[in-house]
Amino acid sequence: AQKITQTQPGMFVQEKEAVTLDCTYDTSDQSYGLFWYKQPSSGEMIFLIYQGSYDEQNATEGRYSLNFQKARKSANLVISASQLGDSAMYFCAMKKLSRGSTLGRLYFGRGTQLTVWP
Amino acid sequence: DTGVSQDPRHKITKRGQNVTFRCDPISEHNRLYWYRQTLGQGPEFLTYFQNEAQLEKSRLLSDRFSAERPKGSFSTLEIQRTEQGDSAMYLCASSLGMPRANTGELFFGEGSRLTVL
Repeated sequence: AQKITQTQPGMFVQEKEAVTLDCTYDTSDQSYGLFWYKQPSSGEMIFLIYQGSYDEQNATEGRYSLNFQKARKSANLVISASQLGDSAMYFCAMKKLSRGSTLGRLYFGRGTQLTVWP
Repeated sequence: DTGVSQDPRHKITKRGQNVTFRCDPISEHNRLYWYRQTLGQGPEFLTYFQNEAQLEKSRLLSDRFSAERPKGSFSTLEIQRTEQGDSAMYLCASSLGMPRANTGELFFGEGSRLTVL
């Protein structure tokens, strides 16, 4: 079974500072993808960043970067230069890429509520 | 707006009533997913369609739940004889049959929040 663990129920960061949101995962699959989604109070899940298990470099998307440590099975999200609009729930998710798996089915963690203060 | 749209956004119903949610995916997406999210939890997979075919259902999807995607475009999720435990946010997502270059990401709608009294 796939399992995503986010151990930080809530995180606080001051505007313009960087913050790291933790994510560890458990899978026996060799081929998988890792995602981070942002969910503001409106409810929509917004895709932020993706890392494939075979990608050698850590993914980056603007102010978002993924600190991927395969041996530790961790995929932490780093947000640089935090903005007030970054306040939201953040979910780490994983999908299997192996044959026979439901393509696109995501397994989510419980999320981390990030609050950015001025 | 060309994103995933869901209707209604909010539904309050009495226990035992039937409810139906609709999802309109991004037009060129042939894959459609339903997820359920309860308070304090991440979304949980319910079911998945490729075009009009329902290819997988989670064990979370009891006999009271049924989903359809009759013409491979919009989808409906019906809950019969609602129970208080059905109260949740129901999220719809869609994706392309072939993943985008790197991600194969899902595009989510804003969800339909169900409250069963």
